Amino acid sequence: GAVVSQHPSRVICKSGTSVKIECRSLDFQATTMFWYRQFPKKSLMLMATSNEGSKATYEQGVEKDKFLINHASLTLSTLTVTSAHPEDSSFYICSVTGTSGYNEQFFGPGTRLTVL
Amino acid sequence: GQQLNQSPQSMFIQEGEDVSMNCTSSSIFNTWLWYKQDPGEGPVLLIALYKAGELTSNGRLTAQFGITRKDSFLNISASIPSDVGIYFCAGQLGSNDYKLSFGAGTTVTVRA
Repeated sequence: GAVVSQHPSRVICKSGTSVKIECRSLDFQATTMFWYRQFPKKSLMLMATSNEGSKATYEQGVEKDKFLINHASLTLSTLTVTSAHPEDSSFYICSVTGTSGYNEQFFGPGTRLTVL
Repeated sequence: GQQLNQSPQSMFIQEGEDVSMNCTSSSIFNTWLWYKQDPGEGPVLLIALYKAGELTSNGRLTAQFGITRKDSFLNISASIPSDVGIYFCAGQLGSNDYKLSFGAGTTVTVRA
């Protein structure tokens, strides 16, 4: 399967600041990456689909101006949480599709965001 | 996304026991996936199922794609302490819709 990294693994920021999270596909060129959000003891919630070279597709209820996604290359997608507030504190996880096609998704290790 | 019903919500296991969990959906999926997530980490893919009726094994894990395409189960045989964690089922429609819909998860804990 694909190997996916995320950076940073943990970030603490002050309310009102912006935070950028990187998702890298280390051994696979991913035309599509996905961004998820997970609250404690809850399941994963898809936020957006990140498409290389084009605009991301956001799920209903996810503010695109709040969560900026850039997929500038086949190995890197970034999620920027703009003007972060405490309610944005969460576990953010990205995934990429596997080499066999879109059926399998391989996940990164996640980024824990805490907004004070 | 679609709503998946995963059960049980939690279970306690004793080493050596067999464990079973399942997922059902009101809609048809063309792919079922099972993941395991340890605390503070991303989900790890355990088994992928692509055809209705398919039965697939990965070591002590066995999963089946229900014949109606609306359900799937995962069995863990002869459980060991490192089997603890949260197990998620996920369904995918395919045919240009590659998003995953996740179940709520099954938390597996070792019985003291």
